Amino acid sequence: EAGVAQSPRYKIIEKRQSVAFWCNPISGHATLYWYQQILGQGPKLLIQFQNNGVVDDSQLPKDRFSAERLKGVDSTLKIQPAKLEDSAVYLCASRLGPMGNYGYTFGSGTRLTVV
Amino acid sequence: QKEVEQDPGPLSVPEGAIVSLNCTYSNSAFQYFMWYRQYSRKGPELLMYTYSSGNKEDGRFTAQVDKSSKYISLFIRDSQPSDSATYLCAMSEGTGRRALTFGSGTRLQVQP
Repeated sequence: EAGVAQSPRYKIIEKRQSVAFWCNPISGHATLYWYQQILGQGPKLLIQFQNNGVVDDSQLPKDRFSAERLKGVDSTLKIQPAKLEDSAVYLCASRLGPMGNYGYTFGSGTRLTVV
Repeated sequence: QKEVEQDPGPLSVPEGAIVSLNCTYSNSAFQYFMWYRQYSRKGPELLMYTYSSGNKEDGRFTAQVDKSSKYISLFIRDSQPSDSATYLCAMSEGTGRRALTFGSGTRLQVQP
């Protein structure tokens, strides 16, 4: 079974620039998450999708972050404009369904550095 | 107060030692408890999964949940250098609809 694919692996941008991350979940996984992991901290949820609908985006800074999941498969996360404090690893995770607690499968993440 | 508290370490032990990792939490609605292992520059991978209170054992790993104390533990027996990683506790509410809430992670170093 292929894992969760994320790209790019690394990105360096200047503050106020825009950036986009891409995630391809495990085939058939209906639920997709984007987490932000700042160095030395645990992952923090940004947004949760169920198929192509948003379940929880309460912690997404909507003035600068946006995410979409077209056709309920791939997802993109965008930051515009970026701030220094956005430097972090952005992790995408997926799981089979919304209920119960099948473990999440995480991708390797995109490491963003804002200078 | 954070919903989930975890000692960040780092924790350094000699090879073969028993390691104890712990988390406390404040949300009494949490029913599902997990431990993830994260190697440097990798995404977290699920290590142990427990529902409600009790113990669960898998090889060298034992997970314990004490809901009355809002306290969970992960024990690693006969620790190996390959166990060197960051260990994240994670938990979610009973319905499973809500996303996992993670602790900040404990960095473990097992010295050969």
